[in-house]
Amino acid sequence: KAGVTQTPRYLIKTRGQQVTLSCSPISGHRSVSWYQQTPGQGLQFLFEYFSETQRNKGNFPGRFSGRQFSNSRSEMNVSTLELGDSALYLCASSKDPAGVPYEQYFGPGTRLTVT
Amino acid sequence: AQSVTQLDSHVSVSEGTPVLLRCNYSSSYSPSLFWYVQHPNKGLQLLLKYTSAATLVKGINGFEAEFKKSETSFHLTKPSAHMSDAAEYFCVVSDVGDYKLSFGAGTTVTVRA
Repeated sequence: KAGVTQTPRYLIKTRGQQVTLSCSPISGHRSVSWYQQTPGQGLQFLFEYFSETQRNKGNFPGRFSGRQFSNSRSEMNVSTLELGDSALYLCASSKDPAGVPYEQYFGPGTRLTVT
Repeated sequence: AQSVTQLDSHVSVSEGTPVLLRCNYSSSYSPSLFWYVQHPNKGLQLLLKYTSAATLVKGINGFEAEFKKSETSFHLTKPSAHMSDAAEYFCVVSDVGDYKLSFGAGTTVTVRA
């Protein structure tokens, strides 16, 4: 069974640009979450989607947005990039969020560098 | 609000000796608890998860963790460290209906030959 896939794996952008990252969940998983990982702040929750609906959002500015498609694939967008947005962006999927515990399976991440 | 505190930022052990990674949690409800591992330049891999069925949880690669409600702890152990265990380990908490994971700051494990 294929795992969570993320594209692209590496990205270099300039301040002020925007970027779109893509995530394909494990087959059959309907929940997709996004996390940002930086050396200073660690792993921080961005948002979670289920059936194309955002159910929870972390404490990030409005420049960070996401969406989920009917096939459960998800994208996140960051507009007006800042140097501080340089990070590893991780996508995770879950089979059934109604179940306990709510375990998530992670992709390899997209390494974004903003110059 | 849910949170976890990993008590050690770095742990160094000799190969073949036990490993102990400490984690305390705070949760408003009955939490779900996990340990994840991240090897260099890799994604996060689930080591084990806590359900209410048993307080001693066995995971992959010989790791296990014990849930102690009275101490609000979920420490991770392994009887004998292997060189391949060198990685960063994250203790994670999630509350039912919150739809997110809250990560600890991580513990970096170094294994000496």
